Amino acid sequence: VQMTQSPSYLAASPGESVSISCKASKSISNNLAWYQEKPGKANKLLIHSGSTLQSGTPSRFSGSGSGTDFTLTIRSLESEDFAVYYCQQYNEYPFTFGSGTKLEIK
Amino acid sequence: QVTLKESGPGILQPSQTLSLTCTFSGFSLSTYGMGVGWIRQPSGKGLEWLANIWWDDDKYYNPSLKNRLTISKDTSNNQAFLKITNVDTADTATYYCARTYGGLFAYWGQGTLVTVSS
Repeated sequence: VQMTQSPSYLAASPGESVSISCKASKSISNNLAWYQEKPGKANKLLIHSGSTLQSGTPSRFSGSGSGTDFTLTIRSLESEDFAVYYCQQYNEYPFTFGSGTKLEIK
Repeated sequence: QVTLKESGPGILQPSQTLSLTCTFSGFSLSTYGMGVGWIRQPSGKGLEWLANIWWDDDKYYNPSLKNRLTISKDTSNNQAFLKITNVDTADTATYYCARTYGGLFAYWGQGTLVTVSS
């Protein structure tokens, strides 16, 4: 299953809201996760099952979608949110990741 | 507290076999439903899933690496292993292990950089 993530780069200011899209090449039901990557830190699982927040994920993060189209939304950006985000499908093997979205401070 | 730490050779030559070790704590690979996965990331690029091993010793591989991968575990010592045969420069990457449950990678190691160079 190919995962197409967009945009690859996003610039925003603290306090703003942003959305990242992830499209699967075939239906993956809701078996979609979002991860956050930050330098020097272990990758962090943010959301699973398309929209379920992993324990410890701030409520300003939300996920939506099912089937082939998914969205990660971050509301009221905080400085700690500037990072790289990946989607991943775990509906079938081989598991596949999106190409990543780098969220930078404007 | 769940922790994972990858270890590897750092550098190796083309055609050699890459051996990676994941040493973990805070969970057991004998627990029903538990697994460890390996994922790699070339510098500046995205994530590529390589293989998973599960509590029942079931194993899954990324077919893009064909028959070059072997994953295994030592449950009693809380370790998982990955071997990649016949490496070339395209295998240069940071290699991560992660605890997986249901296909989700909830806990990741910090990664180990592997460089393939002659």
